[in-house]
Amino acid sequence: DQQVKQNSPSLSVQEGRISILNCDYTNSMFDYFLWYKKYPAEGPTFLISISSIKDKNEDGRFTVFLNKSAKHLSLHIVPSQPGDSAVYFCAARGIQGAQKLVFGQGTRLTINP
Amino acid sequence: KAGVTQTPRYLIKTRGQQVTLSCSPISGHRSVSWYQQTPGQGLQFLFEYFSETQRNKGNFPGRFSGRQFSNSRSEMNVSTLELGDSALYLCASSFRLRGLIYGYTFGSGTRLTVV
Repeated sequence: DQQVKQNSPSLSVQEGRISILNCDYTNSMFDYFLWYKKYPAEGPTFLISISSIKDKNEDGRFTVFLNKSAKHLSLHIVPSQPGDSAVYFCAARGIQGAQKLVFGQGTRLTINP
Repeated sequence: KAGVTQTPRYLIKTRGQQVTLSCSPISGHRSVSWYQQTPGQGLQFLFEYFSETQRNKGNFPGRFSGRQFSNSRSEMNVSTLELGDSALYLCASSFRLRGLIYGYTFGSGTRLTVV
């Protein structure tokens, strides 16, 4: 079963506009969420994280929102830049058992000039 | 501070062979976890090592194993390679705080191709 889902395989946004990437999860025991950016044949690069005790975390152009009741998180990138074009993964960590990261399938973001 | 170093970057092996991959975590990080990325399965957790002990293991066959040394460097080994083992293998360097893992900084990965 896929506990973390990114339902949009791809997203295209115009440069300067807002990019919104979405992620849903099913396991209520997840307590820590992360967003990564990834280029082909490279490791994921950490962008931003949020603890389940918060509903928003901001770092520069990146903001992550967490809606625990809906089991939904989103990453907002404002303004979008061409260098933001990559695959974005959301990941969740549970506090029970293996503290592994469970990843979504990724969303390919393309920023158009 | 130096990032996470994985070696080698690329590897081509033949079916039935074995392979060893290496990961040096960020200085001061004592937790190393390994992940496999394939187009079909995405990023899947293999195992985690902390203080030279395997703490958690994912749902992979026994052909996948690992170890961690006293300097926190970790190796993973895959024996009797199969074509399906072709993947990008990533390690994540982390630290533990009050029993919880934080950090999760990834290396560039090792691209393994089995022919």
